[in-house]
Amino acid sequence: SQQGEEDPQALSIQEGENATMNCSYKTSINNLQWYRQNSGRGLVHLILIRSNEREKHSGRLRVTLDTSKKSSSLLITASRAADTASYFCATDASRGGAGSYQLTFGKGTKLSVIP
Amino acid sequence: DVKVTQSSRYLVKRTGEKVFLECVQDMDHENMFWYRQDPGLGLRLIYFSYDVKMKEKGDIPEGYSVSREKKERFSLILESASTNQTSMYLCASSSRKTGTYGYTFGSGTRLTVV
Repeated sequence: SQQGEEDPQALSIQEGENATMNCSYKTSINNLQWYRQNSGRGLVHLILIRSNEREKHSGRLRVTLDTSKKSSSLLITASRAADTASYFCATDASRGGAGSYQLTFGKGTKLSVIP
Repeated sequence: DVKVTQSSRYLVKRTGEKVFLECVQDMDHENMFWYRQDPGLGLRLIYFSYDVKMKEKGDIPEGYSVSREKKERFSLILESASTNQTSMYLCASSSRKTGTYGYTFGSGTRLTVV
């Protein structure tokens, strides 16, 4: 079942600009994570924000979480051509028991950074 | 460097063949997952395992089975491959100590069924 939905589906920007991607989800969560996928490769974990946090930074990444609106945003500042990739949000809505430890992924935002 | 290794990057199989996709992790993780990724559909969970010999169905288990005989290895089996199983298959693992925090993914296997 799809939990997160990223917006926009695709984004094209010039190098040096900031890129903002959004994620909306449906149910209450324990945490929300962002992953990056280079073309044809596996996903790489970028950053995690817990449900009781509102903002988190990691290098050029800034993530915000608004649990009242069930939404999150990922900001990449001063983008580089190497940031070209697909970005996925993933939500942990586990409630314990054998069904725990599952992340539900969105469909992703495809970011193109033009040199 | 810790990693999740998928045995093949590209695989071409014929309709009706039995197909094995292998995944090995060297991080002593308890939890392992198989996803398939299709354009416009994102990642969908096929099966997962939270311990040796344990398995749980994900969102789309039909046509698939799994095997986890050893902690480090999680195999996905297509009993009789069909063209609608042409897809990118991604294996991931995580630690029970950290729960869902930070899945580690393999590089993926692009399977084509002809």
